[in-house]
Amino acid sequence: GAVVSQHPSWVICKSGTSVKIECRSLDFQATTMFWYRQFPKQSLMLMATSNEGSKATYEQGVEKDKFLINHASLTLSTLTVTSAHPEDSSFYICSAAWDTEQYFGPGTRLTVT
Amino acid sequence: QQQVKQSPQSLIVQKGGISIINCAYENTAFDYFPWYQQFPGKGPALLIAIRPDVSEKKEGRFTISFNKSAKQFSLHIMDSQPGDSATYFCAASIRSGTYKYIFGTGTRLKVLA
Repeated sequence: GAVVSQHPSWVICKSGTSVKIECRSLDFQATTMFWYRQFPKQSLMLMATSNEGSKATYEQGVEKDKFLINHASLTLSTLTVTSAHPEDSSFYICSAAWDTEQYFGPGTRLTVT
Repeated sequence: QQQVKQSPQSLIVQKGGISIINCAYENTAFDYFPWYQQFPGKGPALLIAIRPDVSEKKEGRFTISFNKSAKQFSLHIMDSQPGDSATYFCAASIRSGTYKYIFGTGTRLKVLA
């Protein structure tokens, strides 16, 4: 149980375009989901906390207009990277909270060319 | 006060040996301490977690030792295997809070065959 999926697993986009990443909790309902960014050989950096039906809470230094988060239902949160630039290339990971735990998705590798 | 300090940064252990990773925290409000294992290109997976009302928890070859007075906790991997080679992250959170985790910086473990 407690499976979280992400789609796509990897994506390449051109500079200036937008890309959407989906995070789904497959077998449980998650009122809270999190979005992380991870650079090579580094820890997970929390970008934002997403609560179903309300606006996301962004961590300090994260541009909310660039990283749009929508938590439309208890099983789906989306992260849209708008007007992507090469420096946005990274590994993006979501997690869904249930009963104290966070369950992580497999991650999405974004490359902006 | 929100930091979780993790050491060592990297660790090399012979097959069959014991791998030990340490974490320390400052915020006494933390009351949940999970450990995650992450393989390259994958999302973190929950290994084992402990609450501060116990001093030790064991699951298979993985053991968490918890020292509340010293505000430290550690992961022991007994009989380490090459398949255990991965990056390990400790984390801390407040159960009654927002499910938000504070992650350590990670330890890259390599188990030699």
